[in-house]
Amino acid sequence: DTEVTQTPKHLVMGMTNKKSLKCEQHMGHRAMYWYKQKAKKPPELMFVYSYEKLSINESVPSRFSPECPNSSLLNLHLHALQPEDSALYLCASSQAGTGKETQYFGPGTRLLVL
Amino acid sequence: QKEVEQDPGPLSVPEGAIVSLNCTYSNSAFQYFMWYRQYSRKGPELLMYTYSSGNKEDGRFTAQVDKSSKYISLFIRDSQPSDSATYLCAMTRSGNTGKLIFGQGTTLQVKP
Repeated sequence: DTEVTQTPKHLVMGMTNKKSLKCEQHMGHRAMYWYKQKAKKPPELMFVYSYEKLSINESVPSRFSPECPNSSLLNLHLHALQPEDSALYLCASSQAGTGKETQYFGPGTRLLVL
Repeated sequence: QKEVEQDPGPLSVPEGAIVSLNCTYSNSAFQYFMWYRQYSRKGPELLMYTYSSGNKEDGRFTAQVDKSSKYISLFIRDSQPSDSATYLCAMTRSGNTGKLIFGQGTTLQVKP
């Protein structure tokens, strides 16, 4: 079963709110990713966790804070976001994050920042 | 110049047509090539995965990689209205800790 789940599906938040996005996979994958996708653009990599350790941070602002509690779960904590952060946030997973494996994406969380 | 170039389209074809989607790239170190399909407001879905050069077929879909020309293609035979989506090529090199380089995506519309 190649399934990555994400909650919530939609999220509306104000610029002073704190919220979290959640991602879960049960494929035994040891690499998990957060991407941001704006309309009519490809996904942009934000963070990579490999074996529960942060291995890539693509110079993302500190108002985005990732967390990997275990090998199946990935969270993205949001605080003091800006309207330009409104986008589709995608989680993905792959076997080990060496670049050889295929990445499987979740359905995404559509975020609107007011 | 972008590392991966993909014509954004839109591309409109009649039902039953053969569709050809293409990407060119500049980094000769890329070895792993993927095609994703993304329906509106959904996450990307992996369609095809190819290592190095050659062809790979899966049902109505054929992926081709020509490393000498730095050119990859996705062919869709007997296209259906349900194939209407954005198609993203993606590629990476070994040891790149999973960082995919995406094309801009091509929007395809298959008209009944």
